[in-house]
Amino acid sequence: NAGVTQTPKFRVLKTGQSMTLLCAQDMNHEYMYWYRQDPGMGLRLIHYSVGEGTTAKGEVPDGYNVSRLKKQNFLLGLESAAPSQTSVYFCASGSTSYTDTQYFGPGTRLTVL
Amino acid sequence: AQSVTQLDSQVPVFEEAPVELRCNYSSSVSVYLFWYVQYPNQGLQLLLKYLSGSTLVKGINGFEAEFNKSQTSFHLRKPSVHISDTAEYFCAVSINDYKLSFGAGTTVTVRA
Repeated sequence: NAGVTQTPKFRVLKTGQSMTLLCAQDMNHEYMYWYRQDPGMGLRLIHYSVGEGTTAKGEVPDGYNVSRLKKQNFLLGLESAAPSQTSVYFCASGSTSYTDTQYFGPGTRLTVL
Repeated sequence: AQSVTQLDSQVPVFEEAPVELRCNYSSSVSVYLFWYVQYPNQGLQLLLKYLSGSTLVKGINGFEAEFNKSQTSFHLRKPSVHISDTAEYFCAVSINDYKLSFGAGTTVTVRA
């Protein structure tokens, strides 16, 4: 039982390049989330999904796209990376109870030059 | 909309001393409250949560938190810290939905 895994762990991009971050969970959770973590700002929700085939915008969605084609996977895409997207990205998953815990992956550190 | 304020960004503390991390929230409706911990170079994990009932909540690793509705606070405490408690701590709130709003975090550094 691996929990929530994220690929890759580190990435360096040049401005304008694109990339996809992969999140996978093996807990059969319906809900999945993408956050970004920046110093002094805590975690901010980028996009989330309430089930396979669904996505919704969070607090800071601009510049990102997501897809949830399979229940266990949640992909975060950057079409044209900008230096402002330099951050640590965390994926999380949770059950359908809003009082339940969110389980977090180990994070992806992205640097955009 | 709810917001979360963690009143201390950095808390240095000596080993075996007590520590308190302060969290205030603003919401016009009832909330659910969480404390998460992030150890260096790791993801977040749940320390404890308040859903209802007793206002004193006990979590893992000897941490506890007290919900105070009148002061809209959810402060985290540990009576005696260890070096291994060095981490960043996040307070978070949720209101009847599946999204968490996080505070900016408090970095706890435990010194020998």
